[in-house]
Amino acid sequence: SQQGEEDPQALSIQEGENATMNCSYKTSINNLQWYRQNSGRGLVHLILIRSNEREKHSGRLRVTLDTSKKSSSLLITASRAADTASYFCATDAGSNDMRFGAGTRLTVKP
Amino acid sequence: GAGVSQTPSNKVTEKGKYVELRCDPISGHTALYWYRQSLGQGPEFLIYFQGTGAADDSGLPNDRFFAVRPEGSVSTLKIQRTERGDSAVYLCASSLGQRETQYFGPGTRLLVL
Repeated sequence: SQQGEEDPQALSIQEGENATMNCSYKTSINNLQWYRQNSGRGLVHLILIRSNEREKHSGRLRVTLDTSKKSSSLLITASRAADTASYFCATDAGSNDMRFGAGTRLTVKP
Repeated sequence: GAGVSQTPSNKVTEKGKYVELRCDPISGHTALYWYRQSLGQGPEFLIYFQGTGAADDSGLPNDRFFAVRPEGSVSTLKIQRTERGDSAVYLCASSLGQRETQYFGPGTRLLVL
């Protein structure tokens, strides 16, 4: 079963705009990770945020984590056409696997 | 190799046939995971190896699915008597250890006719 739920399911923006995607989960977690996937193939790891962290940055990416609300957000600033992909959050809840949501499909129009 | 590799990249088979999917993890990664992803969905966990042993196979859908990792490196996912519902992308990931970042391979797209 899947734990994370991304919101929105689909997002379409113009190049240069910021994109914000949200993830909600149900149980306590050790960490939460964001991945990108192009064309339904290999997932690329973007960022990992641990349960005792509230915010992390990596280049144009900013991730926040609110454990009290069981939610996380991924912000992509100054988006580019190459950012077009599906974005997934995955939670590590202490079991042996990660639980992925259904993803947000981001389209960045040039 | 530099990353996780999976072979074949695509596999077409007929209902009832047996298939094997291979995963080569990143060298030195002790943890290996198999996931299955259906169209429009996120990856779903199948099985986790720590070294040579299957530490958690709770995600395998039924006894037609089996995976091995005999030397603690390469892993093979085996599907017997394939069904059309097995059609999906099968993803492999490896990590230095449990709770560490998982690095994914490109996947094997399985189509059962």
